[in-house]
Amino acid sequence: AQKITQTQPGMFVQEKEAVTLDCTYDTSDQSYGLFWYKQPSSGEMIFLIYQGSYDEQNATEGRYSLNFQKARKSANLVISASQLGDSAMYFCAMRGVQGAQKLVFGQGTRLTINP
Amino acid sequence: DGGITQSPKYLFRKEGQNVTLSCEQNLNHDAMYWYRQDPGQGLRLIYYSQIVNDFQKGDIAEGYSVSREKKESFPLTVTSAQKNPTAFYLCASRGQGVYNQPQHFGDGTRLSIL
Repeated sequence: AQKITQTQPGMFVQEKEAVTLDCTYDTSDQSYGLFWYKQPSSGEMIFLIYQGSYDEQNATEGRYSLNFQKARKSANLVISASQLGDSAMYFCAMRGVQGAQKLVFGQGTRLTINP
Repeated sequence: DGGITQSPKYLFRKEGQNVTLSCEQNLNHDAMYWYRQDPGQGLRLIYYSQIVNDFQKGDIAEGYSVSREKKESFPLTVTSAQKNPTAFYLCASRGQGVYNQPQHFGDGTRLSIL
C-alpha cells in the first residue's frame, strides 16, 4: 500500500524567506509520480508541481521546486521568496502504477506567511 | 474556459435523507474522481471512474453511490447509510495518456447535517 507522510502540521515563515515543506512516502512500485497541491481557505485544490520517479532532474515551476531524494523516499517542496498569498494548506500526493489513476494524499501542512 | 463545476456549494442533509452532489466537466477528460476531506485532514478517495458506465470503489465507498452515464458528469449520492456525512467533497478529473498529468479539481461542496 502507498502512504504519504507530512510531519509538519503547521509552518510559520516571514515574507520573502524560503520555506521547505516535508513529504516522505512509502511504496512498493518502481514507477510512481509525486504531486504537490495548494489549498487556499476557499477550498479549491491547485496543482503546483510534479516529480516522476525516473526523472533525473528535480522539478521546478517558477518559485516552486522539488527536492527529490529517491533513496530516502522524500519529496520536499521548496518555495522561494515566500509571499503573503502563499498562506494555505499544502498537500503532497502520490500516484503509483498499480493504482495508476488514484492519488494518495498526505495530511497536509498549513503554511502561514507573516508580513 | 474549461473546468470542473461542482454544485451546490453548500448542502444540508436531514436525517434519513439521500442527497446528490453534482460534478460536471468540460475538459473532455475520461477519468473522474470523488474525494472526501474532513477538517484539518487530507483527501480520501470515495469512488472513481475511468470510462463511461464504469466505476470503482475507493477507500471509503460505504454509504455513497455514483453513476457515470455521460463522460461529462459524475454525480455522487450520499445515502442515509452514511452516518457521518459532514465533510467537504471534492470532484476531480484527469485526461488519459500522459503519465504526469495532474488531477484537476472543482471548487468543492460543503455538506452538513441539519
